[in-house]
Amino acid sequence: DAGITQSPRHKVTETGTPVTLRCHQTENHRYMYWYRQDPGHGLRLIHYSYGVKDTDKGEVSDGYSVSRSKTEDFLLTLESATSSQTSVYFCAIRGTSGNNEQFFGPGTRLTVL
Amino acid sequence: QKEVEQDPGPLSVPEGAIVSLNCTYSNSAFQYFMWYRQYSRKGPELLMYTYSSGNKEDGRFTAQVDKSSKYISLFIRDSQPSDSATYLCAMRDNAGNMLTFGGGTRLMVKP
Repeated sequence: DAGITQSPRHKVTETGTPVTLRCHQTENHRYMYWYRQDPGHGLRLIHYSYGVKDTDKGEVSDGYSVSRSKTEDFLLTLESATSSQTSVYFCAIRGTSGNNEQFFGPGTRLTVL
Repeated sequence: QKEVEQDPGPLSVPEGAIVSLNCTYSNSAFQYFMWYRQYSRKGPELLMYTYSSGNKEDGRFTAQVDKSSKYISLFIRDSQPSDSATYLCAMRDNAGNMLTFGGGTRLMVKP
């Protein structure tokens, strides 16, 4: 998984509670991404980061915030989780080959009851 | 209409068959095309990468891009049960910050 770890790997929470997912990389990649994957929708970009403290919104950013205080960590926060945020969340990094491919972590399965 | 369309399948084939997986897209600015393979409950892994039009071959896999038709394909020769997975196409324009994914095609190769 290209040196990417995600934690937790599974989480069950209740509507209205805050949730933070962590993505950690060990190879000093500048670009990091958060996606969600849902049946019928494929992978959709939530937010991405192009450096420490530099982030931008993706296609489905409403209800999510991110932070990147260190190169190796990219955090995704659901301030007040809703059932519509039940999904599998993947973190990705951009490779350094010059082709801008993305490499994905193992995913976090989140269930909001 | 989605920017990238992909038949969700499932596509079921016997072992040894040639598999054709396809995506169509609407954004003519897309220049870079990728195929990812995703096993159940795993993250997507990059399989093939092509730039602009043409073919690229890697072992049993061939990626084909036809920009005039806005159509890309992934061919798998001599398919194996271990090829059973969901295949996602992805593409981007020259700016390169974001990828746009198809919804994925689930492939099942039966022994």
